Amino acid sequence: KQEVTQIPAALSVPEGENLVLNCSFTDSAIYNLQWFRQDPGKGLTSLLLIQSSQREQTSGRLNASLDKSSGRSTLYIAASQPGDSATYLCAVRMDSNYQLIWGAGTKLIIKP
Amino acid sequence: NAGVMQNPRHLVRRRGQEARLRCSPMKGHSHVYWYRQLPEEGLKFMVYLQKENIIDESGMPKERFSAEFPKEGPSILRIQQVVRGDSAAYFCASSQVAGGPTDTQYFGPGTRLTVL
Repeated sequence: KQEVTQIPAALSVPEGENLVLNCSFTDSAIYNLQWFRQDPGKGLTSLLLIQSSQREQTSGRLNASLDKSSGRSTLYIAASQPGDSATYLCAVRMDSNYQLIWGAGTKLIIKP
Repeated sequence: NAGVMQNPRHLVRRRGQEARLRCSPMKGHSHVYWYRQLPEEGLKFMVYLQKENIIDESGMPKERFSAEFPKEGPSILRIQQVVRGDSAAYFCASSQVAGGPTDTQYFGPGTRLTVL
């Protein structure tokens, strides 16, 4: 049974710092992995999707990497801004299965 | 092209009442997924529907919960005789296809159910 873990559960850093959020999964037979952002009381915004054959994806100040063999993904945020404050969720999709299996998220606070 | 729409955004019910949550998928999407997010937890898959068909309801409690996606109109998640433990955010997602690299699920804003 696939389990997805995100560490740390919460993170508070000063504005301008580069930071890394971690996501690990127990079953490496994934189809893809997505990183989402969730703002309080709001919906989910997809940030990056990495197919199982890919190693990384980039969008602006965000870079997500995937290492299937070790069951890990990282989300790198460069030059963090207060507007980056949110909960970041990772979700994996298994081969031939449409269900997304989610981590509990990392709550990120960027202090001005 | 409007995104996935859910209503109501907030719903308050007393124990024993019924809750009806609606989801209108993106235009052109015929696959709908419901997820539940309990406080301080990640989302959990509940059910996957196509028009007029329940494809997979393995994540949905057997009692009190039901879902439908009629030929016309939104998908409905129905919770009968709600209990406090049903308090959660319920998210709906839709996709154009269900399989392959283009089957990205797009999420709605969620319905936050509070049971008093």
